[in-house]
Amino acid sequence: QKEVEQDPGPLSVPEGAIVSLNCTYSNSAFQYFMWYRQYSRKGPELLMYTYSSGNKEDGRFTAQVDKSSKYISLFIRDSQPSDSATYLCAMRMNTGFQKLVFGTGTRLLVSP
Amino acid sequence: KAGVTQTPRYLIKTRGQQVTLSCSPISGHRSVSWYQQTPGQGLQFLFEYFSETQRNKGNFPGRFSGRQFSNSRSEMNVSTLELGDSALYLCASGGTNQETQYFGPGTRLLVL
Repeated sequence: QKEVEQDPGPLSVPEGAIVSLNCTYSNSAFQYFMWYRQYSRKGPELLMYTYSSGNKEDGRFTAQVDKSSKYISLFIRDSQPSDSATYLCAMRMNTGFQKLVFGTGTRLLVSP
Repeated sequence: KAGVTQTPRYLIKTRGQQVTLSCSPISGHRSVSWYQQTPGQGLQFLFEYFSETQRNKGNFPGRFSGRQFSNSRSEMNVSTLELGDSALYLCASGGTNQETQYFGPGTRLLVL
């Protein structure tokens, strides 16, 4: 079993829809949670990061962490065709080391 | 502020050869991590350097090595290349607050 599970998709939605992307994890020592967006043939771009449990909002993006359920989510409001990309969740422990453990990524397609 | 830069962007090598990839982190960042991304395995941690010292290593064979220079620039080397080493190699730069990592565009390596 992988430490971080993420549905690979693809997830297809119409423009303007609310998108929900999720990851589950098994290691309760994870404290930092991140979402990256990766366009084809590009490096991952940091979208959101949160420490421990709670919500964080940035524009159209909201990240949620539920440590009791070992479940994290990224919501995208008013989705745009330019949001079409692969979304990767990543997490790490609070050890001072930077090693990230990634989910497999969910491919999102937003149609006009 | 300039982002993480990686050179070269593309490489084609043959089995048995060796390759050296370079990464320049964001100015002021002292932590550099390397990841391998393949369609089958996703993003996997290779190693992390901080202040010229390797402080964490992933589960890769000894053919994969790296180093970091006093200006925080890092190189990774893969010796005796195998077909399975074909991948996107990503470098990530970490800030002093240890909270986030920013990725470069990657070096795409093809081993024939």
